[in-house]
Amino acid sequence: DTEVTQTPKHLVMGMTNKKSLKCEQHMGHRAMYWYKQKAKKPPELMFVYSYEKLSINESVPSRFSPECPNSSLLNLHLHALQPEDSALYLCASSQVLGSTNEKLFFGSGTQLSVL
Amino acid sequence: RKEVEQDPGPFNVPEGATVAFNCTYSNSASQSFFWYRQDCRKEPKLLMSVYSSGNEDGRFTAQLNRASQYISLLIRDSKLSDSATYLCVVISSGGSYIPTFGRGTSLIVHP
Repeated sequence: DTEVTQTPKHLVMGMTNKKSLKCEQHMGHRAMYWYKQKAKKPPELMFVYSYEKLSINESVPSRFSPECPNSSLLNLHLHALQPEDSALYLCASSQVLGSTNEKLFFGSGTQLSVL
Repeated sequence: RKEVEQDPGPFNVPEGATVAFNCTYSNSASQSFFWYRQDCRKEPKLLMSVYSSGNEDGRFTAQLNRASQYISLLIRDSKLSDSATYLCVVISSGGSYIPTFGRGTSLIVHP
């Protein structure tokens, strides 16, 4: 069983909707990640938070807005998405960012469909 | 050239077969290597880390060849339940330490 919890598991939204994806971990990890994965492709990094500060933004469009309220929680706010944003959104955590031996632990993902 | 490359497959093997995948990496500053397994529409799960001396976990053996810059995963006595995509992940010290994923190798084990 994964120790990274994501909600919701499935989400269908229209292009004018605002929704949020949530991620929670209680492993004491200080690095948290958002990945986007399309079918038959590898996970694609979107954002990384380290010690609750945004460390990396991989040139993600502003219609995706991350938030890290505390060390256990990570949100991804969605607004005015496009159909091509439909994908599996994965949250992950690792102990810290900056170590070469960091293992990623993934949540089960949110399957997002934008209509 | 992509930083981490894998043959996407699919590798189609009968139960009981031995199958091996390779993953090549281009950054010589790469220091950590992992194999993840991903089932369809599920999250990637860590299968094993890859150490310089090689390591084994049951039917799975991982090897690292620094000179040729590749890692390998060997699966012995394949089971139907081994069918999945196997993702190679590399972390390099020269950059931001962000794990870099290969595109994955699809394995199908048939009866």
